[in-house]
This record gives sequence, structure tokens and C-alpha cells, in this order.
Amino acid sequence: GDSVTQMEGPVTLSEEAFLTINCTYTATGYPSLFWYVQYPGEGLQLLLKATKADDKGSNKGFEATYRKETTSFHLEKGSVQVSDSAVYFCALSDVGNTDKLIFGTGTRLQVFP
Amino acid sequence: NAGVTQTPKFQVLKTGQSMTLQCAQDMNHEYMSWYRQDPGMGLRLIHYSVGAGITDQGEVPNGYNVSRSTTEDFPLRLLSAAPSQTSVYFCASSYTTANTGELFFGEGSRLTVL
Repeated sequence: GDSVTQMEGPVTLSEEAFLTINCTYTATGYPSLFWYVQYPGEGLQLLLKATKADDKGSNKGFEATYRKETTSFHLEKGSVQVSDSAVYFCALSDVGNTDKLIFGTGTRLQVFP
Repeated sequence: NAGVTQTPKFQVLKTGQSMTLQCAQDMNHEYMSWYRQDPGMGLRLIHYSVGAGITDQGEVPNGYNVSRSTTEDFPLRLLSAAPSQTSVYFCASSYTTANTGELFFGEGSRLTVL
């Protein structure tokens, strides 16, 4: 079945460092891809999404490009802040059922001043 | 803006007890769902609904019941709690389907089963 694999955390960075969180997926068709973020004590919220190959989603300085050839959707940010400390989830839509999202295990990011 | 409201935020149960986790949204969303979040396993879909009167099973439905009598409410019932149901539960809603719209999550309900 469809699945998402994320790099294990925690990822620990100093403020203003470059961030990459890897995400790869397995799907039989062409799913939509998402990044959600969970700040401490809160529910998840959508960070960005891409619905077709080569689309780039972006929000709050974060970017991710839908790469069909490498089945990847890596999250990047050029300069992280302490306020970016959170857990990041990669997700894909179930091609066989548009009412389901499949989430990765999450990657915790810790940014220190 | 209330968004998605879950109650209770914390609950401790004994094995075999039953309880209901409440979820309400005030955004007139058709789609609602319940996930559980466990360490190292991400979020797993329990049940979902695409509209009032319609529910369907997700990835891990055993031990849980849902109903959708109104657009606003989507309660999750644990019939006979087991320690394996210790988890953080999230309710989420969307205007349309899960993959085309944005999922709005509640703050979560932490359940411990002793």
C-alpha cells in the first residue's frame, strides 16, 4: 500500500542554519503531497502542499518540490528560527481513496539560539 | 474562531471502561476524521465521515465506534478500553475531501488506559 518515509529525528540546528527534512513516498498513482507542522501542545496544521509533479509548495520560508522521478518531497528552509522548533509530518493522499491522508512518523526539529 | 474543539483534553480510564471523546467544529465542514498518534508510528486514521449520516473505517478501527448525526459533531466512542488504546487522539475536519482541502486539527485528547 501507499506509504511515507521520513528521516528520523531529532534534527538539532543552530538559529539561521539551513534545514532539510527528507521525505520519500511509495504510491501506485500520483498522490498529492503535504507537510504538516505540530507545535508543542497543539494539533497539526498544514504548512504547504503540492498536487502534481514538479509543483513547489511554499509557506513561511519553507519549500518542498514534488519530485516524481525520485518519489520525494523534501522540506527545506534557508534560515531556521527558534520558533520553527516543532514536529514536521510528511503526508500523502491515498490515490485509491481521496478521503484518506497517510502520514509519516514525524521529524522533531530543535533550533537553539 | 473556535475551529475544531475536542474534549476532554486528558482522561485516565481503567481497562474495560467505556468513554466518548467529543469533537465539534464550527466551520460547516463536511469531512471529519479521528486519528491516533503514537510514538514512532505517526498518525493513523481510525474513522472518518464525509457528511452527516455517513461514516467509514480507517486504518485502525477496531475497538472504536463513531456516529455523525449532525454536520458539527463527530464523537469517538471506546466501548471497552484496553491499554493498547493509550494514545493521543486528534479530530480533524476539512471542507471537502482530505486530500484536496486543508485538514484542521483539534488540540488533541490524551488518553491513558490502566
